[in-house]
Amino acid sequence: EVQLLESGGGLVQPGGSLRLSCAASGFTFSSYAMSWVRQAPGKGLEWVSTISGSGGSTYYADSVKGRFTISRDNSKNTLYVQMNSLRAEDTAVYYCAKDPGTFAFYYYMDVWGKGTTVTVSS
Amino acid sequence: DIQMTQSPSSLSAFVGDRVTITCRASQSISNYLNWYQQKPGKAPKLLIYAASSLQSGVPSRFSGSGSGTDFTLTISSLQPEDFATYYCQQSYSTPITFGQGTRLEIK
Repeated sequence: EVQLLESGGGLVQPGGSLRLSCAASGFTFSSYAMSWVRQAPGKGLEWVSTISGSGGSTYYADSVKGRFTISRDNSKNTLYVQMNSLRAEDTAVYYCAKDPGTFAFYYYMDVWGKGTTVTVSS
Repeated sequence: DIQMTQSPSSLSAFVGDRVTITCRASQSISNYLNWYQQKPGKAPKLLIYAASSLQSGVPSRFSGSGSGTDFTLTISSLQPEDFATYYCQQSYSTPITFGQGTRLEIK
C-alpha cells in the first residue's frame, strides 16, 4: 500500500525554523516527484513546493521562495521541507503528496499524507 | 500565475440529486485540470485528472469535462458520503494553483 506520513510539525515563534519530514512507503520513491501543499485554518489548498525524483529540480511558490527549502533523501525514502523565517501566515496543515508521473512532472497529486500542523505564534 | 475560480462557493443539495461544479481558468490550460474531494479533518483525495479521467477506485457517478478555460465536475446521483469540499487544480504550469473550493452540503 502506498503511504505517506508527515512529521515535524509544532508550535514555533515568528522568525523561527522548523523541518518537516515525510516518510514514504509502498512505491519506488526515487521515481516520483513529490510536493508539499498547505492549508491554513479554514482556508483552501495552497501549493508550496515540488521536487523531482532525483532532487535535481525544485519549484517554489513565491510566498515561500527564499525561506523554504525542499529536499529528499532517496536512500531513506523521505521528503523534507526546511522552513526558515517563519511568519504567522505560514500557520497551516502541511501535506506531502506524490506526483503520479514516473520520471516526469505531471504537477498533480495522486497520493496524500494525513498532514502535520505548523503553528507560528508568539 | 493562472487563477482558478470555482462556482458556486457553496451548494446545498439532496441525496440523489445531480450536481455540477464549475471551474474557470484565467487562461487556456488545455485539459490540465484536476479535481479533489476533501472531507473535514482529512487530506484531499484525487477524483479526476486530465479534466475527464477518473482516478482508480473513484465511483463512476463522478465525471469531469471541459477544456481550455471552462471545466465541470458532475456528480450524477449524490450519496451521503459525497458531502465534502471540492477543489479544482491546474497542472498546466507552475505555480500550481487551486480553486478556492466548493462546499457541498446536505439540504
